[in-house]
Amino acid sequence: GNSVTQMEGPVTLSEEAFLTINCTYTATGYPSLFWYVQYPGEGLQLLLKATKADDKGSNKGFEATYRKETTSFHLEKGSVQVSDSAVYFCALSDQLSGFGSNYKLTFGKGTLLTVNP
Amino acid sequence: KAGVTQTPRYLIKTRGQQVTLSCSPISGHRSVSWYQQTPGQGLQFLFEYFSETQRNKGNFPGRFSGRQFSNSRSEMNVSTLELGDSALYLCASSSDPGGYNEQFFGPGTRLTVL
Repeated sequence: GNSVTQMEGPVTLSEEAFLTINCTYTATGYPSLFWYVQYPGEGLQLLLKATKADDKGSNKGFEATYRKETTSFHLEKGSVQVSDSAVYFCALSDQLSGFGSNYKLTFGKGTLLTVNP
Repeated sequence: KAGVTQTPRYLIKTRGQQVTLSCSPISGHRSVSWYQQTPGQGLQFLFEYFSETQRNKGNFPGRFSGRQFSNSRSEMNVSTLELGDSALYLCASSSDPGGYNEQFFGPGTRLTVL
């Protein structure tokens, strides 16, 4: 079945440091890939996505490139801020065989990021 | 446009009781998915409804059930509560089945089972 593996946290950085959160996946088809972010006390929000190989998703200074050859979708940001402190989830959406246009999201376990001033 | 709303936000129950959680999706969205979030297991998919039909189901016991109404609002029911059911229950809506493009999440209902 499909699965997503994220680097385990927590990750603690100082403001303006470089961030990388690793994500690799296993999927039977050609999935779309997502990064979601969860701020304290809130639900998840879509941060960025990529729908095919070599696509780069970007938003709010975060980037991730869909690498089919390494089955990876690592999240990066050049200079983190205190306000980036949150839990980050990597996810994939893959089509279920036999269900037409039916897709299902599979999430990684999440990585807690804390940014100190 | 109003976001996904979930009620109640917090709930405390005792073992053996049952509970019903409610989710109102974004206007126009016909897909509603439910997830259980715990520190140990992370985000686990419960089920998804699209146009009042359950399209997908995760690996949870039959005590967990759901339904969707004609206005796309969804309810989730857990019967015979166990301590391990304590979790944040998240609802997500999407314009398409399974959230191929994006799922929009509500703030969740925090269920505590004593």
